[in-house]
Amino acid sequence: AQKITQTQPGMFVQEKEAVTLDCTYDTSDPSYGLFWYKQPSSGEMIFLIYQGSYDQQNATEGRYSLNFQKARKSANLVISASQLGDSAMYFCAMRDDDYKLSFGAGTTVTVRA
Amino acid sequence: DAGVIQSPRHEVTEMGQEVTLRCKPISGHNSLFWYRQTMMRGLELLIYFNNNVPIDDSGMPEDRFSAKMPNASFSTLKIQPSEPRDSAVYFCASSAIGQGQGETQYFGPGTRLLVL
Repeated sequence: AQKITQTQPGMFVQEKEAVTLDCTYDTSDPSYGLFWYKQPSSGEMIFLIYQGSYDQQNATEGRYSLNFQKARKSANLVISASQLGDSAMYFCAMRDDDYKLSFGAGTTVTVRA
Repeated sequence: DAGVIQSPRHEVTEMGQEVTLRCKPISGHNSLFWYRQTMMRGLELLIYFNNNVPIDDSGMPEDRFSAKMPNASFSTLKIQPSEPRDSAVYFCASSAIGQGQGETQYFGPGTRLLVL
């Protein structure tokens, strides 16, 4: 069964604007973690942000914030003030109680000058 | 601090040859994961180790694939014999399970494998 769903295969955003990447997940475990990774064209996987299922507040890391809506099982990534260097593939992932990560299909973001 | 180190970064080989991919996890991390990324299947977990012990190898595609972790600072993923359908990017990742921080996995740069 699909655990992570990213419905946006590709997005364009104007430089300096904000962009929201959608992610929904499915699990019956009460304890889980949600992650976002960035994969630029060079290929490496870069950890961006983490949200635990018991965290009361939405996670933030610099220009990245995670809009966590537990009842809706969504964990959207918001990138504020987009920069050209933000152009990349973004993956949402979930860790449940077996410590394995399940990844979504990814969303390609292209930032336009 | 050094991140996860993988070698080689690129590998081109012929069908039937043995391929060995290497990984050095982040010092102090107790878990290591091998992933494969292809256009068709995305990112798939192949196997993971905790404290050098294989915990889950259900993602290993078939007997041609094997992985070892002889000590806390080294792991190998071996394909023997290799086939063209094994062409992919292979990532190694490590994390500190049981040490807080959500058990975030940190990825190496990957090995791009092409089997001709």
